[in-house]
Amino acid sequence: SQQGEEDPQALSIQEGENATMNCSYKTSINNLQWYRQNSGRGLVHLILIRSNEREKHSGRLRVTLDTSKKSSSLLITASRAADTASYFCATQAGANNLFFGTGTRLTVIP
Amino acid sequence: DAGVIQSPRHEVTEMGQEVTLRCKPISGHDYLFWYRQTMMRGLELLIYFNNNVPIDDSGMPEDRFSAKMPNASFSTLKIQPSEPRDSAVYFCASSYHRGEYQETQYFGPGTRLLVL
Repeated sequence: SQQGEEDPQALSIQEGENATMNCSYKTSINNLQWYRQNSGRGLVHLILIRSNEREKHSGRLRVTLDTSKKSSSLLITASRAADTASYFCATQAGANNLFFGTGTRLTVIP
Repeated sequence: DAGVIQSPRHEVTEMGQEVTLRCKPISGHDYLFWYRQTMMRGLELLIYFNNNVPIDDSGMPEDRFSAKMPNASFSTLKIQPSEPRDSAVYFCASSYHRGEYQETQYFGPGTRLLVL
């Protein structure tokens, strides 16, 4: 299966701390995307990193991609209570659909 | 733009009944996706369309499930007859193709289905 796997499954941190989530996948990809899902809501796209990129930033988000290890990480700096959500990585290979991982549930304690 | 619109937001039905979920993608998007999310299986792709044509329906669990996209602004996912194990949140998403890659997907708010 091409589906990604996030690690850890759940993460609980204090407000102000950094949160790091990892994603591993199995096949070659064109790009990898991170999405966020608040409880009871749809997924919202956060950031896309292409296979020829190694690092990308967007606000408090930093994403890295290591294609040799088939892994990616999402770092959220200076976390806030509002960052509490589930975070999913999704990979796109030759076809046009995305394969979503199992998600990391992040809880930021005020 | 209003984003991807799904209706109904919640549906409670009895086993054996027909259920129809509706989706309006973002105007101008040429891809439409139907997903199902459960605690056990996570997010599963059921089917996706390109320019209203079904491209891959390998994720549709059974013949009880069918999806149509009669035009660029409307799609339905139908379950007939419904079963309790179909209870899940069903998401519709749309995206557009730019260059070599599909870009990001935009998700609707989902339809929470409960089959009793």
